[in-house]
Amino acid sequence: GAGVSQTPSNKVTEKGKYVELRCDPISGHTALYWYRQSLGQGPEFLIYFQGTGAADDSGLPNDRFFAVRPEGSVSTLKIQRTERGDSAVYLCASAITGFGKETQYFGPGTRLLVL
Amino acid sequence: GENVEQHPSTLSVQEGDSAVIKCTYSDSASNYFPWYKQELGKGPQLIIDIRSNVGEKKDQRIAVTLNKTAKHFSLHITETQPEDSAVYFCAADYGQNFVFGPGTRLSVLP
Repeated sequence: GAGVSQTPSNKVTEKGKYVELRCDPISGHTALYWYRQSLGQGPEFLIYFQGTGAADDSGLPNDRFFAVRPEGSVSTLKIQRTERGDSAVYLCASAITGFGKETQYFGPGTRLLVL
Repeated sequence: GENVEQHPSTLSVQEGDSAVIKCTYSDSASNYFPWYKQELGKGPQLIIDIRSNVGEKKDQRIAVTLNKTAKHFSLHITETQPEDSAVYFCAADYGQNFVFGPGTRLSVLP
């Protein structure tokens, strides 16, 4: 079956612009996670959805970052007034329930470059 | 919060030799420890995981050990092959999320 997909695979934008990154989780997975990975580092948690609701958004760095999952499937990460420091790989992962300790399946990521 | 450290940051081994990567964590409440392999341009892929009620788990050439008292866990790869070359991340659960280590770049030299 299909894994987690993310679009676009690469995004180049200018400082101050608005960007949207999309994640299609594995069908039937209730839990969805966004992570940010800077060069040479491990993924850092941003936000976790349980169904349509954001169960934990404690990793979002500031109010320029926002994410939605209106129908409990596809999620969009939105970044306003982008800054050069936002440049990173944004990873999405999904899991069957999100409860307990279970595998998170990662997508290939979106590489964001802010010029 | 949880903090995960990982060593070494880079590791080179000859094909056929073993590789060991070690991680420590800080939150005693953590009880799930996955290991991910990330190849260039791809997302992390789970290769093995271990839960706190188990001290060791093995899957073919890969094994993971856990010492809950000392709060450390290790990945062991035996009979390494060139296709094992990648960045490996350990992680520990923290609430409903994972905290990842900084990664180990493994190079298997033919």
